[in-house]
Amino acid sequence: QSALTQPASVSGSPGQSITISCTGTSSDIGSYNLVSWYQQHPGKAPKLMIYEDTKRPSGVSNRFSGSKSGYTASLTISGLQPEDEADYYCCSYAHTRTWVFGGGTILTVL
Amino acid sequence: EVQLVQSGAEVKQPGTTMKISCKVSGYTFSDRYMHWVKQAPGKGLEWMGLVDPEDGETEYAEKFRGRVTMVADTSTDTVYMELSGLRSEDTAVYYCATGWARHFMDVWGKGSTVTVSS
Repeated sequence: QSALTQPASVSGSPGQSITISCTGTSSDIGSYNLVSWYQQHPGKAPKLMIYEDTKRPSGVSNRFSGSKSGYTASLTISGLQPEDEADYYCCSYAHTRTWVFGGGTILTVL
Repeated sequence: EVQLVQSGAEVKQPGTTMKISCKVSGYTFSDRYMHWVKQAPGKGLEWMGLVDPEDGETEYAEKFRGRVTMVADTSTDTVYMELSGLRSEDTAVYYCATGWARHFMDVWGKGSTVTVSS
């Protein structure tokens, strides 16, 4: 199972919106509504931000939203804040009863 | 509050076996699935496998099959991950992460650092 494809980095200024894409195949993203997104600050454990493509866990800011079209899932962060600067990973269930992560995207808040 | 407490850092010799523990609290042990995720230095997250503490069922990533074993001990509410045949590429932080559904991980441990070196 190959890793999902994410851009290596994205950037934005405070207050702006950014979108991180995550592209898979018919074996994972294209077949299930089971994409999750994780935020990871340096030296810290990942944190769940979005699950089941679009759902937000309790306690996660509504500035974070998820969407999906075809084989590509997206995470959008609106009203960028300095504390959003982190690495972001998508993850999807795959046909083979396994899970696969994306390569990760470094978000820089300028 | 759901909490996962992982075992401490280890240094292992190549060819040996590592065993990491993840003790849970704050919920009924059998109610949540447990994933293990690897993060090599400066690299991304890599899914290793899953164990269902209710019945011990496991699923492993193809890359680790044959070398990895995940076990849920219901007597101590602890999940273990064992990786054999260690090589330098296994140097990483290993996270246990749980979810009330199989397909996401909403609570993570702080990670266990394993260094493979002679």
